[in-house]
Amino acid sequence: ETGVTQTPRHLVMGMTNKKSLKCEQHLGHNAMYWYKQSAKKPLELMFVYSLEERVENNSVPSRFSPECPNSSHLFLHLHTLQPEDSALYLCASSPTAGDEQYFGPGTRLTVT
Amino acid sequence: QKEVEQDPGPLSVPEGAIVSLNCTYSNSAFQYFMWYRQYSRKGPELLMYTYSSGNKEDGRFTAQVDKSSKYISLFIRDSQPSDSATYLCAMNDGQGGSEKLVFGKGTKLTVNP
Repeated sequence: ETGVTQTPRHLVMGMTNKKSLKCEQHLGHNAMYWYKQSAKKPLELMFVYSLEERVENNSVPSRFSPECPNSSHLFLHLHTLQPEDSALYLCASSPTAGDEQYFGPGTRLTVT
Repeated sequence: QKEVEQDPGPLSVPEGAIVSLNCTYSNSAFQYFMWYRQYSRKGPELLMYTYSSGNKEDGRFTAQVDKSSKYISLFIRDSQPSDSATYLCAMNDGQGGSEKLVFGKGTKLTVNP
C-alpha cells in the first residue's frame, strides 16, 4: 500500500465503549497529525507528533488519547465519547513538522 | 477576524468554465500556501503548494499568491465534472517549530456536464 492508510473507515460506538483508530504512513515522513473534520467547520488540528514525540496537543479532551509507537504508525484511543464527537477523523503525515501534509481517507465516527 | 476566510459556496459552473477559488488571511507571517481537493467521503488531497508571492501552474490549475493583499487564488481552466469537490486552502508561517497548518472552511464546487 502507498500513502497514508487509516482503519477502520467507519466506526459506530456507544458512549461507554473503548475503541482505537489506526493510521499508517508509507511515505518515510517524520511527522504525523490527527485532525477532526465536522460539517461546516474548518479542519481542527488535534495532535502533532514529530519523530514520535508529541509536539502539540490542541486543547483536546482527555477522552481522546494519541499514541505514536514509531514514525510510521499513529493511533487515537477513544473512550467515553460524546455524541458531539461524531465526525470524520483524519490522519496526515509530512516530511517534517510544518511541511505540506498528506492525508489518509479518514475514519467516519458515529457516537450513539 | 478569522485567520483564514474562505467562501463556502456552493459554487456551480458549467463544464469548460474557468473557476476562481479564493482565500483571504490576516497573518502577514504566512508564507507557505497550499490548496487541497477533497472528494466526498475521502481525505483531502494536496493539489498545489506555493511559497511566498507569485503564480504556480500545474496543468489546468494555477495557484496565485498576493501577499500584499493577503489573498490567494486557485484557478481551474476548462473545468470538468471530475473537478467537483470541496477545495480547501491552507497556510503556515514556516517558522521553526510551527507545525500548524491553518485551513479555510473549504469551497464546495460542482461542475455540471
